[in-house]
This record gives sequence, C-alpha cells and structure tokens, in this order.
Amino acid sequence: TQLLEQSPQFLSIQEGENLTVYCNSSSVFSSLQWYRQEPGEGPVLLVTVVTGGEVKKLKRLTFQFGDARKDSSLHITAAQPGDTGLYLCAGAREYGNKLVFGAGTILRVKS
Amino acid sequence: SAVISQKPSRDICQRGTSLTIQCQVDSQVTMMFWYRQQPGQSLTLIATANQGSEATYESGFVIDKFPISRPNLTFSTLTVSNMSPEDSSIYLCSTRGGGGQQYFGPGTRLTVT
Repeated sequence: TQLLEQSPQFLSIQEGENLTVYCNSSSVFSSLQWYRQEPGEGPVLLVTVVTGGEVKKLKRLTFQFGDARKDSSLHITAAQPGDTGLYLCAGAREYGNKLVFGAGTILRVKS
Repeated sequence: SAVISQKPSRDICQRGTSLTIQCQVDSQVTMMFWYRQQPGQSLTLIATANQGSEATYESGFVIDKFPISRPNLTFSTLTVSNMSPEDSSIYLCSTRGGGGQQYFGPGTRLTVT
C-alpha cells in the first residue's frame, strides 16, 4: 500500500503552460518534502513544509501543505524545458522517522 | 546542507559477484540511509546505517545480501552480494540534516549481466 499517492505519474506539456502535481495520503505527516531529480543525479531537495496550510514559493514553483497535513501540491507556472525531471514528494510521520516517498511524477516540458 | 559523494558512479558487474559502494559526507551526520531506485521510479529504503551498531534493514532486505558498514560519522559502505540481474538499479546514499531535511548523493548505477 502506497502511503503517499502522487499524481499524475507522467506529464508532458508545452513550454509556458502551468501544471500541478498532487501528493495525497490518509495519514497525517509532521513534514513533507519535495524533490526534483534529473537523469544520472540524486534527488535534490526543493522545499520542506511543516505547518498545515503553509504555502512556500520558489521562483515559479509554489508548494502548499494541506490544512490537515495529509496532502500537498506543487504548482509550476509557465513551465520551461529546464523544469523537466522526476518530481518526488516524501513525508515523515513524526520527526526523525524515515521518509515515505510517493511514486514520483515524470515531467517533460517541450520547447 | 550536506555534500554527499558516492563511488563508483556506475559499474557493470557479472552475476554472482559482489560490489561495494562507498558514501562520503562532508560533515558528521548521525543518520545515513541507503536507497534503491529503478530509473524513473521512486525510492525504496534498503536500510538505515547506524554508527557503532548494526544497520536496520527494511522488510525485504537482509544483511547477508546487503551488508552495510558505518565506521564513523562521515562514511558508509553498502555491498550488493552475489548479484543477479534483478539487482540492476540505482543505489543512493542519503543523510538527514538537523532540520529533518534529507539529502542524497548522486547515486551509483549498477548493471548486472
């Protein structure tokens, strides 16, 4: 059973379009992290959200943590080819616990 | 954030042999983790490498197949023993920072023929 349901699994869009990736669970997480991974490299941490309802922005990327801390979303505005990669969400049930990873979203942005 | 390096970056090995992957962190860390990842897919935790004690393995992974060493707070090794083609994967080392954030090495791409 996947504790973190991530969707969509694959997304292919044109440069300039907007997109949203979702991460949902029936469990409460103390924190949730988003990673981006390019081929041949390890995942790179983008953001950590810890407070219910929290919104964080990183240039064209907006991350939101649900009020109940069971879900999160990543929204990319005006996607660029450089955004192409594998996006992973990962949650920790309690501080210090091991991370639970979503299945990942492969994003391809075509120019 | 911690800077993590891994060696080798990739290898092609024959079935039945073993490969040891090294992970070096640029600062002392309490928790180090080893993950496996199929290309384009999510990460599966193999074990937590504990300094001064035996590693803690996840369900489906055993010490005889994936022995782990953690001689100090900056270094760990993962050995993939008696390899089969099913072991072909990317193996990632990871550490956890003080704020709970987790950082990853560049990975070791293993192909078993």
